[in-house]
Amino acid sequence: DTGVSQDPRHKITKRGQNVTFRCDPISEHNRLYWYRQTLGQGPEFLTYFQNEAQLEKSRLLSDRFSAERPKGSFSTLEIQRTEQGDSAMYLCASSVGLEYNEQFFGPGTRLTVL
Amino acid sequence: GQQLNQSPQSMFIQEGEDVSMNCTSSSIFNTWLWYKQDPGEGPVLLIALYKAGELTSNGRLTAQFGITRKDSFLNISASIPSDVGIYFCAGPPSFSGSARQLTFGSGTQLTVLP
Repeated sequence: DTGVSQDPRHKITKRGQNVTFRCDPISEHNRLYWYRQTLGQGPEFLTYFQNEAQLEKSRLLSDRFSAERPKGSFSTLEIQRTEQGDSAMYLCASSVGLEYNEQFFGPGTRLTVL
Repeated sequence: GQQLNQSPQSMFIQEGEDVSMNCTSSSIFNTWLWYKQDPGEGPVLLIALYKAGELTSNGRLTAQFGITRKDSFLNISASIPSDVGIYFCAGPPSFSGSARQLTFGSGTQLTVLP
């Protein structure tokens, strides 16, 4: 039983550096989502893909953030010129392409920007 | 910002006791999802609700979709130590215009005392 996987689980970087995270969804799921979670808060939506198409983006996704899902399978989230405020848990979720909204989350990538 | 109010923010209960928590919003939700999150991990889906008035169980967990569609409740019966964690309600609010973006509450931290 393979759920959503994310890599790396932890990333420490210096301010100004670029970082890239990877998400592998559940194999039969065609929808993939990225969320960000800060301490003491619930996850906040960043962006959503259906297959390879990026259909929705939050205002939280500044120009320094870019997400791709080139072949409709795994996805990457890149943050350029990281800032201390980018420190958070980045969560990936996936769901099947039905009307239901059941999203299944991965373990997350914890980013710390020094 | 987040549109869901969860209460209580935290609970300390004795093992074996029943637990109730709720989630309210000023907006109508079409779906209510309840998740549990352990420290350093992603949220795990517990129960999904799709119709006003719906009552759904998953083992010792029972959740209800409020008649007004602006609230939901989660009950845990006969709590055990592994119930410790943060419980989040989530859903796509009707005002968002998106059926895919989940809005999360700020969570209820549950502690089970032996």
